[in-house]
Amino acid sequence: AQSVTQPDIHITVSEGASLELRCNYSYGATPYLFWYVQSPGQGLQLLLKYFSGDTLVQGIKGFEAEFKRSQSSFNLRKPSVHWSDAAEYFCAVAPRGATNKLIFGTGTLLAVQP
Amino acid sequence: ETGVTQTPRHLVMGMTNKKSLKCEQHLGHNAMYWYKQSAKKPLELMFVYNFKEQTENNSVPSRFSPECPNSSHLFLHLHTLQPEDSALYLCASSQGREANEQFFGPGTRLTVL
Repeated sequence: AQSVTQPDIHITVSEGASLELRCNYSYGATPYLFWYVQSPGQGLQLLLKYFSGDTLVQGIKGFEAEFKRSQSSFNLRKPSVHWSDAAEYFCAVAPRGATNKLIFGTGTLLAVQP
Repeated sequence: ETGVTQTPRHLVMGMTNKKSLKCEQHLGHNAMYWYKQSAKKPLELMFVYNFKEQTENNSVPSRFSPECPNSSHLFLHLHTLQPEDSALYLCASSQGREANEQFFGPGTRLTVL
């Protein structure tokens, strides 16, 4: 069965430090890959997506993610975290040809220390 | 109003009540979705509508009844719910089905007593 694993439920980083959020997926073929962010009381906002091509994807708010086929991973990174980045982050996959069938991970809650 | 709006933002209901959640998208999209977000569980896709036609029902209990009168509006009618149905219900929309971003509303926080 298709699944998305975000092994870190909760992460705390200091402001200005670098960040990496992990995402692994289990899928028969390379799916479309997404990262979403959810701030308290808000809906989900797309940070970035990977469909094909360059495996390093740039997104909004200074985030990037790298697709590694051999590891079935799509980790999210940011070189310097800001206090406003505190939120919950969700990795999601969708089968090629049906991006309306998003499968989400359980999320990683990011706290930022001053 | 811009983006995807949902009303009400909070709802408390008893198990015998009937209530409805409303979603409206102002983006000109033709696909709309209902998701359920429970604590410590992944978001669960409930229903998908394309051009007002339901194209996905992810084994959702019949006590949840969706309605999509046009491409801009989506409702979720609730009746005889259970306490385990308490969750955040998110609406989303997108343009078509292929390779397009889903835009999410802020959600309705539902509590079933």
